[in-house]
Amino acid sequence: GESVGLHLPTLSVQEGDNSIINCAYSNSASDYFIWYKQESGKGPQFIIDIRSNMDKRQGQRVTVLLNKTVKHLSLQIAATQPGDSAVYFCAENLNTGNQFYFGTGTSLTVIP
Amino acid sequence: DAGITQSPRHKVTETGTPVTLRCHQTENHRYMYWYRQDPGHGLRLIHYSYGVKDTDKGEVSDGYSVSRSKTEDFLLTLESATSSQTSVYFCAIKKGANSPLHFGNGTRLTVT
Repeated sequence: GESVGLHLPTLSVQEGDNSIINCAYSNSASDYFIWYKQESGKGPQFIIDIRSNMDKRQGQRVTVLLNKTVKHLSLQIAATQPGDSAVYFCAENLNTGNQFYFGTGTSLTVIP
Repeated sequence: DAGITQSPRHKVTETGTPVTLRCHQTENHRYMYWYRQDPGHGLRLIHYSYGVKDTDKGEVSDGYSVSRSKTEDFLLTLESATSSQTSVYFCAIKKGANSPLHFGNGTRLTVT
C-alpha cells in the first residue's frame, strides 16, 4: 500500500494474475479520487477516477474501490501484463478544488 | 497525449544561477500546474494558474516564481537555484472543473 517512507512499497505478480494496489487517503472531506500510472522517465498517466458518491467504478481491466469509512482506495488490475509494470499512485481532491494531493506510490513488477 | 510539452527535458545548472522551465499546452485549458517529484514524497504542488496572469502558490512555493502571459505557456523560474531544488518537475493541465490532471513528461533538473 501507499507509504510516506523513503522506499516505495513493492508488489510483484505473475503475468496473468490479478493485482491489487492500495492507498490510504488523508482527508475525510475529499470527494474525488484518481489513480495514476507512471513509467520510468515519463509523466504520470491517468488511469481511472471515482467520486465519493460511488464505491466502485470499472474501466478496461481496471477497477477502483472506495471505502470512505476507513479512507481507503484500491486499484485492481485484471490479468496483469508486463506492460503494467510501473509505479501506481493515488490522488485526492477536495470539492473539485484546484489542489490535488498525491500518495508516494507502489511499484508494481509483473513477472513474465 | 495531453498536448503538453515541457522544455528542457534535462538541465544541469550551478547553485545560484537562474533557471526557467517552460510548459506549453496545445489545447487552451485554463488551469495549469507545476509540481515537483522527489523520492519519498508524493507530487508536491509548487504553483498553479487559473488563467492568464492569474496564479497562486502551492505547498512548496518558496524559491520559485511563475508567469503566465499566454494561455498556452506557463513558466516556472528558480531565481537562484539551490541544491535542494534538484528534482523532477512536472507540468499538468486540468481540462475541466471535475476532471483529473494530465501531466507532461517532466524536466529533470540537477543543481550542482
